[in-house]
Amino acid sequence: KAGVTQTPRYLIKTRGQQVTLSCSPISGHRSVSWYQQTPGQGLQFLFEYFSETQRNKGNFPGRFSGRQFSNSRSEMNVSTLELGDSALYLCASSLVEGNTEAFFGQGTRLTVV
Amino acid sequence: TQLLEQSPQFLSIQEGENLTVYCNSSSVFSSLQWYRQEPGEGPVLLVTVVTGGEVKKLKRLTFQFGDARKDSSLHITAAQPGDTGLYLCAGARNQGGKLIFGQGTELSVKP
Repeated sequence: KAGVTQTPRYLIKTRGQQVTLSCSPISGHRSVSWYQQTPGQGLQFLFEYFSETQRNKGNFPGRFSGRQFSNSRSEMNVSTLELGDSALYLCASSLVEGNTEAFFGQGTRLTVV
Repeated sequence: TQLLEQSPQFLSIQEGENLTVYCNSSSVFSSLQWYRQEPGEGPVLLVTVVTGGEVKKLKRLTFQFGDARKDSSLHITAAQPGDTGLYLCAGARNQGGKLIFGQGTELSVKP
């Protein structure tokens, strides 16, 4: 079956703009989590969604937000982009809420200039 | 504060050598996962360990969860160039689906 699909794969944005990233989980998986990966900080948890509700949130500013749709697809949005937001954004899907066996997509590489 | 400390951060070895990567914490985890990530790709789940003292084997890879569920190790026997990549440990602490990742071990296996 198909894995986790993230779009787009690459994105270049200018400081101050906003961006929306998309994630389609594995079929049948209902939980979606988002992570930010940078060389300096490694992988850091952004938030987790299950049944269209945010269940868990990491230590990121309010500029980072997300949502989940009834088909379990998820989007994350970053507003007022800063240079430091340049990173690989990874989406992970799990079968149920709180299931820590996560399967990751290929990620979206965001570059802010 | 890094809750999960991985060591070493970098490892460059010759094909055929053995190696061990460590993942340590002062915190207890309900489960621990190991992932391998290649450049430009997302992490791929290798194994999940849940019980203290648990040992799991995946071909030439052996994973162990510490008795107190605070640490883990990954041992690779007779490393091959195809083992090259970033190895990440990630712990779960009964906080929903949130995983806490170590900084990773960059492994390079030269032919």
